[in-house]
Amino acid sequence: SAVISQKPSRDICQRGTSLTIQCQVDSQVTMMFWYRQQPGQSLTLIATANQGSEATYESGFVIDKFPISRPNLTFSTLTVSNMSPEDSSIYLCSVGRQLNNEQFFGPGTRLTVL
Amino acid sequence: GQQLNQSPQSMFIQEGEDVSMNCTSSSIFNTWLWYKQDPGEGPVLLIALYKAGELTSNGRLTAQFGITRKDSFLNISASIPSDVGIYFCAGSTSNTGKLIFGQGTTLQVKP
Repeated sequence: SAVISQKPSRDICQRGTSLTIQCQVDSQVTMMFWYRQQPGQSLTLIATANQGSEATYESGFVIDKFPISRPNLTFSTLTVSNMSPEDSSIYLCSVGRQLNNEQFFGPGTRLTVL
Repeated sequence: GQQLNQSPQSMFIQEGEDVSMNCTSSSIFNTWLWYKQDPGEGPVLLIALYKAGELTSNGRLTAQFGITRKDSFLNISASIPSDVGIYFCAGSTSNTGKLIFGQGTTLQVKP
């Protein structure tokens, strides 16, 4: 499986600011995803990060709030914009194989918004 | 939207005991995956299942893809303290690569 890293690993931010989270993979991958895991909850898919085109967002998530970039096959960013305390969560990137639906996750970014 | 119902929500067992957890869905899945998440880490893939009726083992872990394609279970035999964590089932109904996750089962093992 691929080695996936995320930066930052954690952050504490003020309300109204924005944070950009980076996801780096050690090999080229077709599919990259961004998830949110609220405290004590399961994983919820935010969007599929498409290389060279706009991300595909799931119901309840919009580009203005969670802009995503994917400039190449090994890197993606997720920005959490105009943050509020309700955005306090773990944000996880994953890489997947469309052939068999397996996904492998990064270590996550733990965000606290005050 | 599609949902996975995972049970039990939590388990507190004695070291050495066997554990069983399961997931059910109202939709037919073509892939079932089981993950474990340790505190402060991302989920780690334990077992992947692709065919109805498939039974797959990974050490002390055994998982099965239900015949109806709407359920899956995970068994852990002879539990040890390092089995502590949150176990998630996940499934896919298509080849888009997208997964739906269950609510998770929190496992605690008493030495």
